[in-house]
Amino acid sequence: NAGVTQTPKFRVLKTGQSMTLLCAQDMNHEYMYWYRQDPGMGLRLIHYSVGEGTTAKGEVPDGYNVSRLKKQNFLLGLESAAPSQTSVYFCATRRRGRNIQYFGAGTRLSVL
Amino acid sequence: SQKIEQNSEALNIQEGKTATLTCNYTNYSPAYLQWYRQDPGRGPVFLLLIRENEKEKRKERLKVTFDTTLKQSLFHITASQPADSATYLCALPRSYGQNFVFGPGTRLSVLP
Repeated sequence: NAGVTQTPKFRVLKTGQSMTLLCAQDMNHEYMYWYRQDPGMGLRLIHYSVGEGTTAKGEVPDGYNVSRLKKQNFLLGLESAAPSQTSVYFCATRRRGRNIQYFGAGTRLSVL
Repeated sequence: SQKIEQNSEALNIQEGKTATLTCNYTNYSPAYLQWYRQDPGRGPVFLLLIRENEKEKRKERLKVTFDTTLKQSLFHITASQPADSATYLCALPRSYGQNFVFGPGTRLSVLP
């Protein structure tokens, strides 16, 4: 029972490159979230999904896209990476009707 | 917009003392408030949830209070131990959408 698994754990990109972060969960939770965490700013919501095939924007969605084709996976894409996207990215899941979020271990991304 | 502030970026206390962390929010009337713990290099882990009609909640050495008039929650760790050293985050459900807003966190260091 792995819970919430994020891949990759670390990545270094050059400005303009693209990449996809994967969040996989085995808890059958309906809701999934992507956050970024920067020093002094806490966790900020990028995008989220309330179910398979649905996504919604959070507070900092610009420069990111997401997809939830399968209930267990939530993908975060950067089409053209910028240095401002250097951050630690966390995925979280939540069961409908419950208030607790379960987080992955994070992906540390550096954009040079 | 909904905003959360936590009393200080860092807090140092001596082992055995009680640590008190503060979470203040504005422009908001949440139905509940949560506290999470985050260790370096890891994702946040849920600790406690307190509802608007609950004044106080306890779990082992942890105690949380919720004052909806002051728009403030206090998080106490009694008989603190070096193992309690971590960053503590408070979180509120947004008034719209199935998502949450997090405070910036307080980094607690318990000195032996």
